[in-house]
Amino acid sequence: AQKITQTQPGMFVQEKEAVTLDCTYDTSDPSYGLFWYKQPSSGEMIFLIYQGSYDQQNATEGRYSLNFQKARKSANLVISASQLGDSAMYFCAMSEGPKAAGNKLTFGGGTRVLVKP
Amino acid sequence: NAGVTQTPKFRILKIGQSMTLQCTQDMNHNYMYWYRQDPGMGLKLIYYSVGAGITDKGEVPNGYNVSRSTTEDFPLRLELAAPSQTSVYFCASSQDSNEQFFGPGTRLTVL
Repeated sequence: AQKITQTQPGMFVQEKEAVTLDCTYDTSDPSYGLFWYKQPSSGEMIFLIYQGSYDQQNATEGRYSLNFQKARKSANLVISASQLGDSAMYFCAMSEGPKAAGNKLTFGGGTRVLVKP
Repeated sequence: NAGVTQTPKFRILKIGQSMTLQCTQDMNHNYMYWYRQDPGMGLKLIYYSVGAGITDKGEVPNGYNVSRSTTEDFPLRLELAAPSQTSVYFCASSQDSNEQFFGPGTRLTVL
């Protein structure tokens, strides 16, 4: 079974609008972390946001917020006020187990976002 | 700080050749990782290390070897290159924060 599922292969969003990228995960470990990374066309991996399984509040970082619904095993990324520079591939990823074992990430297949002016 | 550096940036190998992908980090991180990214796909973990002298297999270790003799360096060795190893290879490191810092990647083609 897929551990991380991103069901939207690609999407368009109008500049200045918000966009939600879906991510569902599968794990039986009570301790896990959820990550979102951005990969522009230049290829580098840019960390956006992190949510721990025990965190009570949804994570936010600037224009990025993570809508964490633990019971539904979903960790959707919301990008507010989209900018042209947000056009990129976005990956959801998960690490399982205690942090002392390292954040070994399992990635989803990604969602390509294109922001239209 | 240079962060995580990888060499080479690009490489073309013939089937059966071997090579070492270099990875160095200057952040004194204990944890280091190697991932591969096939076209249009997410990254997959090849090997990881929790400290100097300690390495372990990830999801797709076959055809690769690693060593970690120092905190800074985590080279990835391909012994007998195969077309299936054509990919972009990313090295990453982390410490106490949740962020994993990625290098710029090495684009490898095996013909």
